[in-house]
Amino acid sequence: GAGVSQTPSNKVTEKGKYVELRCDPISGHTALYWYRQSLGQGPEFLIYFQGTGAADDSGLPNDRFFAVRPEGSVSTLKIQRTERGDSAVYLCASSPAGGTEAFFGQGTRLTVV
Amino acid sequence: AQSVTQLDSQVPVFEEAPVELRCNYSSSVSVYLFWYVQYPNQGLQLLLKYLSGSTLVESINGFEAEFNKSQTSFHLRKPSVHISDTAEYFCAVSAGSGAQKLVFGQGTRLTINP
Repeated sequence: GAGVSQTPSNKVTEKGKYVELRCDPISGHTALYWYRQSLGQGPEFLIYFQGTGAADDSGLPNDRFFAVRPEGSVSTLKIQRTERGDSAVYLCASSPAGGTEAFFGQGTRLTVV
Repeated sequence: AQSVTQLDSQVPVFEEAPVELRCNYSSSVSVYLFWYVQYPNQGLQLLLKYLSGSTLVESINGFEAEFNKSQTSFHLRKPSVHISDTAEYFCAVSAGSGAQKLVFGQGTRLTINP
């Protein structure tokens, strides 16, 4: 595709429910990143994939958060037992091998009620 | 670990006036520095970056930033702003050679008044 695509653009869920957020990176980009942006804050790093494997997952806040990228392209961020504090915009970005620029999607706005 | 401080959360300026958005960072290792911009209802876009070489870097739309190692700063400047520059600007650092694990500042909202 032309850019990084994230679906859904908005998601409202009830506290305690499970959600999945999807990211389609730019075709051919080997690196994929997830960030979380809370209101009034800058994006915070969650996890970074190089190919299919998570190269760095040090930003995942706890074991309710998990991300996969089984075929090295599309990635899914999974959040179990959602809490109101999980409400934020979840951003996905990708870059080519050796690239110095991350290309961001428009994000998924998650609201936990 | 790295951290980034953007000293102004909001900067209002008049059209055609100069502007400076301030960014300071801290790191125990060499870093790579970035400014990203988020226009209303759009995703983050890279504005400019410093990796090595000349400490003054420029964007295609007239912004420039200067890497100052002694002051650990990477302030963003433009001599004359336009209404279309209204956006949120984020300073970011990376300890890696690429875009992985960016650490962002809190952002500066630039508002241009006619």
